[in-house]
Amino acid sequence: AQSVTQLGSHVSVSEGALVLLRCNYSSSVPPYLFWYVQYPNQGLQLLLKYTSAATLVKGINGFEAEFKKSETSFHLTKPSAHMSDAAEYFCAVSEGGKLIFGQGTELSVKP
Amino acid sequence: EPEVTQTPSHQVTQMGQEVILRCVPISNHLYFYWYRQILGQKVEFLVSFYNNEISEKSEIFDDQFSVERPDGSNFTLKIRSTKLEDSAMYFCASSDATLAGAGPDTQYFGPGTRLTVL
Repeated sequence: AQSVTQLGSHVSVSEGALVLLRCNYSSSVPPYLFWYVQYPNQGLQLLLKYTSAATLVKGINGFEAEFKKSETSFHLTKPSAHMSDAAEYFCAVSEGGKLIFGQGTELSVKP
Repeated sequence: EPEVTQTPSHQVTQMGQEVILRCVPISNHLYFYWYRQILGQKVEFLVSFYNNEISEKSEIFDDQFSVERPDGSNFTLKIRSTKLEDSAMYFCASSDATLAGAGPDTQYFGPGTRLTVL
C-alpha cells in the first residue's frame, strides 16, 4: 500500500519568507501526487497535482511543487509567504482512484 | 465555478441513532467519495462509488455504513447506529473521468459535515 509522510505538523514563517512544506511518498508505481489546502472551517481545495508530465508543477496562489523520483519527494514551495497562506496543507497520493493523505502541516505566517 | 456542497454543516446526535449526511457532487462528475477526518488525525478514505455501485471501501466502512445515490444529484452517507468514535468531519468528493477515460480525474471536495456523537 502507498503512504505519504509530511515532515513537520507545524511550520511557522514570517511574511515574505520562503515557504517549504515537505512531503515524501512511498509507491511501487509512478504516483499521482496532490497538494490540497484547508482554510479554517472550509473544505479541501486543490492547490496542484503531479500526473507524470512536467516534474515542476505550478499551482494556484503562487505555490509550486517539484517531483523528485530519486528522493521520493514532492515538496511544496512558495517564494514569499503571505498572511492569507495560513492554513493546513495536505499532501496526497492516488491509489486506484482513492486518495491517501499525509497527516497535514499547519502553516502559520507571522507579520 | 461548480462546487461540491454538503449538508448539514454540523450534526449532533445521540449514540445509537442513525444519521444521514448529504452531498451534492459537481453535476457532470461520475465518481463519488466519502472521507473522514477525526480531530487531530489524517483524512481517511471511506468509500468510492461509480456507476451506481461501490467500487472500493476501506476497513472503516463496515456494515454500519451505507451510501446511496437516490436521485441524479444527491449522494448520501448513512450511519445506522452511531458510536462515539464516529465523531469526525466527513468530506464528500467527486471527480470526472480522465480525458483518456482510464479512470477518475482530480477529486474536488465539499466543505465537510462535522458529526458529533454524544
